[in-house]
Amino acid sequence: GQQLNQSPQSMFIQEGEDVSMNCTSSSIFNTWLWYKQDPGEGPVLLIALYKAGELTSNGRLTAQFGITRKDSFLNISASIPSDVGIYFCAGSLNAGGTSYGKLTFGQGTILTVHP
Amino acid sequence: GAVVSQHPSWVICKSGTSVKIECRSLDFQATTMFWYRQFPKQSLMLMATSNEGSKATYEQGVEKDKFLINHASLTLSTLTVTSAHPEDSSFYICSAVQGVNTQYFGPGTRLTVL
Repeated sequence: GQQLNQSPQSMFIQEGEDVSMNCTSSSIFNTWLWYKQDPGEGPVLLIALYKAGELTSNGRLTAQFGITRKDSFLNISASIPSDVGIYFCAGSLNAGGTSYGKLTFGQGTILTVHP
Repeated sequence: GAVVSQHPSWVICKSGTSVKIECRSLDFQATTMFWYRQFPKQSLMLMATSNEGSKATYEQGVEKDKFLINHASLTLSTLTVTSAHPEDSSFYICSAVQGVNTQYFGPGTRLTVL
């Protein structure tokens, strides 16, 4: 199925550094969601964005819904070892019918934080 | 945040047997739930949309007779893998929709078919 283009695919950083990852799409969405997944577990919702241009923070995390509705970024400030995991972006277009609420996922960004 | 549970968290079964996985939204009602499959180091692959009180909608390439979905209440959806084979071994994850289109995921079920 359709996928978002998420980059980078992986990142190796030192503890304390800031991290930035983004997703782009050829089509518009009206919701952008960012999830973190630890090995062997389900994705956990980090930030949800519902409006173009919206900038939302959750602790050290900040995410923005692109004004064109075709992109979003996630920033993590002052990274710590527990930030390690796979981060997924996901977009949803509430078009109704059978596509209602369906998510299109990015390929994921694998984050490694060295102490 | 909203809580979604899955049971069992892992299961090992013999080839040819059927396995049922439950997905529950614990603190909210979900008209719509989704079932995903995930292979190692890959993103989630949507299998089907589970709608309370109606038939599930399956993605292209997913056999509806093999992956039976029942959404009997606003807090429970079940996925039954029928006549399981080793190639069905995977990580199965459900999600439940709260509000318009915010999905909360369960912790996943690791299925191993011997």
